[in-house]
Parts: sequence; structure tokens; C-alpha cells
Amino acid sequence: QKEVEQDPGPLSVPEGAIVSLNCTYSNSAFQYFMWYRQYSRKGPELLMYTYSSGNKEDGRFTAQVDKSSKYISLFIRDSQPSDSATYLCAMSPYSSASKIIFGSGTRLSIRP
Amino acid sequence: DTAVSQTPKYLVTQMGNDKSIKCEQNLGHDTMYWYKQDSKKFLKIMFSYNNKELIINETVPNRFSPKSPDKAHLNLHINSLELGDSAVYFCASSLASRLAGGVRADTQYFGPGTRLTVL
Repeated sequence: QKEVEQDPGPLSVPEGAIVSLNCTYSNSAFQYFMWYRQYSRKGPELLMYTYSSGNKEDGRFTAQVDKSSKYISLFIRDSQPSDSATYLCAMSPYSSASKIIFGSGTRLSIRP
Repeated sequence: DTAVSQTPKYLVTQMGNDKSIKCEQNLGHDTMYWYKQDSKKFLKIMFSYNNKELIINETVPNRFSPKSPDKAHLNLHINSLELGDSAVYFCASSLASRLAGGVRADTQYFGPGTRLTVL
């Protein structure tokens, strides 16, 4: 079993829809949770991070962490064609914050 | 100004050759990384250096050797290239910060990637 599991997609939704992206993990030592966005042929860029259970909102994006279920989500409201990219969840344990474990990424396509 | 830069962007070479990829960051970060991303987009850490000292060395063949001449540079040298080395290699850098609650976070900033193709 991989430490971090993420549905690879692809996921295709119409413009304006709410998108839900999810990851599950097995290591209860993970404390710091991130979402990266990667456009085609570009490097990943940090979208959001959180370190506690609950919700964190930033514009159209909401990150949710449920440590009891070992489940994290990223919600995108009012999705735009420019949101089309691969979204990678990532997490690291407190003991080794430098070592980030990435999910395999979900490819998202927003149809105009 | 590019924060994390890598050269070359594309690298096509024959099996058995030796090649290097260079990485530089101008963010003043003290930690740098090399990642390998395979064709299925799976991103896996290979090495991490903190102030020129190796701190993460994942299970990577000895043919891969990182070199950090100073904390702004981390180069990756690959000997005797194999077909399975074909991938996109990303350099990243970070500055450790402490979040509320005592959690340490190393938010990493990635370079544009080097697409290596071994023929």
C-alpha cells in the first residue's frame, strides 16, 4: 500500500462546477498537508497548505483535512478553464518536514 | 526573475552516456532537492541538501550523484544512463519555517524541470 493514495483521474467537469479532489494516507505521523498544481510541462507550484484538521479557505479554493479518517480534500468553486492542470496532494511528518510524500496527482480538465 | 532554474530544459542522450543537470535558486533558501517524475506523474524525492550537507538520500542507484558547491546550487550527475532513467527531473528549494502549533513546514518551490530522454 502506498503511503499516499490519489485517484489519477482524468476528471472532466464543465466550467462553473464545484470540483472535489481527494487523497487518503496511511501514516498517522503526517502533520503538514499541501496541495500543488502542475500545469503541463511545468514544475509543481504550491497552492495551499494546512497543518491541522479542519478547513482552510483561499479565494475559490478550500483545503480540508480529516486526520481521524486520514483523508484530505481540495475543493475548487466556480471552476475555470485555467484551473485545468494536474493537482498533487503532498504531506510530511513533523519529524522530517523536509521529506514530502506526494500523491500521484489527479488530472483535471475544465470544459468551457 | 526565475526563482529556481534548471539547465538544460531538455536532454536527449544515448544509453551508457554520462550527463549532468544543473540547478540554481536565488531565493536565499538553505535546502535544495532533486525529484524524479515518471510518465505517470508520480513525483518521488531522490536527494535533499541543507547548507551543502546531504540530509535525504532515498534509494537511488549509485549512478546518480548530487553535488552542492554552495547552498544556492545543487547539480545532479548521472553515470551510465539507462532507458529507465528517462523522466522529468525537478529541482526544488525551501526555507524551513515554524507554523503555529510548533509544526515545522518546508514549503518547497520547484524549478521548471529537465526532461531527460535516454535512447
